[in-house]
Amino acid sequence: QKEVEQNSGPLSVPEGAIASLNCTYSDRVSQSFFWYRQYSGKSPELIMSIYSNGDKEDGRFTAQLNKASQYVSLLIRDSQPSDSATYLCAVNRQGGKLIFGQGTELSVKP
Amino acid sequence: ETGVTQSPTHLIKTRGQQVTLRCSSQSGHNTVSWYQQALGQGPQFIFQYYREEENGRGNFPPRFSGLQFPNYSSELNVNALELDDSALYLCASSPGRNTEAFFGQGTRLTVV
Repeated sequence: QKEVEQNSGPLSVPEGAIASLNCTYSDRVSQSFFWYRQYSGKSPELIMSIYSNGDKEDGRFTAQLNKASQYVSLLIRDSQPSDSATYLCAVNRQGGKLIFGQGTELSVKP
Repeated sequence: ETGVTQSPTHLIKTRGQQVTLRCSSQSGHNTVSWYQQALGQGPQFIFQYYREEENGRGNFPPRFSGLQFPNYSSELNVNALELDDSALYLCASSPGRNTEAFFGQGTRLTVV
């Protein structure tokens, strides 16, 4: 079992729809969770961080964390073609080591 | 822009050679981590430096080494390059060991 798993893509949504990206992790002691966006040929860009159970909203992005289920998700409302990218879920292990999932490719169709 | 800069941006090396990659951390950040990202995969943790000391290492052989300088900039050295070392090498800067990490633009290394 991988430490961090993301739903396999590619995920295709129409412009204006809600994109839902999911991630599960195996280490129960993990405390910090992050979503990064990575455009093709570029480096990862931090878009959301979440540390406690529940929802955290930032503009069109909402991160959801459920530590009991070891599950973290990212919702993108009103998806735009510019949101087309690979989204990486990352979990912070004790000591600062980030463990990444394999990424989910999102395609937003005009 | 994250304020994290890496050099060079692209590099081609021959198998068996040695390479040094450089990273300048964001102002005020004392922690630097290095990651390797193969095509189509998520980044893999190589090691982290906190205030010039190694603070954790991933599953990479000893030929991957690094250091951090008093100004918190960092180097990644790879000896005896192998073809499988071809990847995007990412440096991430953080204000602390367990906080958000901000990536530089990466160095694309190709080993031929």
